Amino acid sequence: TQLLEQSPQFLSIQEGENLTVYCNSSSVFSSLQWYRQEPGEGPVLLVTVVTGGEVKKLKRLTFQFGDARKDSSLHITAAQPGDTGLYLCAGPLRGYQKVTFGTGTKLQVIP
Amino acid sequence: GAGVSQSPSNKVTEKGKDVELRCDPISGHTALYWYRQSLGQGLEFLIYFQGNSAPDKSGLPSDRFSAERTGGSVSTLTIQRTQQEDSAVYLCASSFVPYRQTNPGYTFGSGTRLTVV
Repeated sequence: TQLLEQSPQFLSIQEGENLTVYCNSSSVFSSLQWYRQEPGEGPVLLVTVVTGGEVKKLKRLTFQFGDARKDSSLHITAAQPGDTGLYLCAGPLRGYQKVTFGTGTKLQVIP
Repeated sequence: GAGVSQSPSNKVTEKGKDVELRCDPISGHTALYWYRQSLGQGLEFLIYFQGNSAPDKSGLPSDRFSAERTGGSVSTLTIQRTQQEDSAVYLCASSFVPYRQTNPGYTFGSGTRLTVV
């Protein structure tokens, strides 16, 4: 059973387009993180959202944590080829000391 | 070192052979994690170390998998009698403390790509 489901699984868009990636769960998370992974590398942390309803912006990336802390979204404005990669959400289950990762969204931005 | 170092970066082995994968975490990071990633998909948790002990090894797929950590630093993941389904990228991550909301998150190595032929 996958605790964190991401959609879409794959996304191929033209440079300059906007996109949104979703991370959903039936479980409540105390916080959620988003990572980006490029081919041949390990995931790199982008952001941590902690409070229900929280919105964080990182240049052209906007992250939102759902009010009920069961879901999160990542919106990219005016995508660039450098945004290409695998986007992973991740979060700890209550009482756990490890992080569980989502199924991933593979993004390709075509120049 | 400045980052998490994993070796080898690539390993091709014959079915039935044993392999050892090494992870050298960031100095001072007490928590160390092993994950497995297949075909560019999400990460599957394998084992977690706090210091030299492993409070959570629930993700190890079978008794062919084992891991140890010595000196609170280097960790080795051993796979005995490898099978083709073991083929994947094995990622190691470390963090200063176990997960916290204020934690800057895990720092991952670049992984070891294991291919069993």
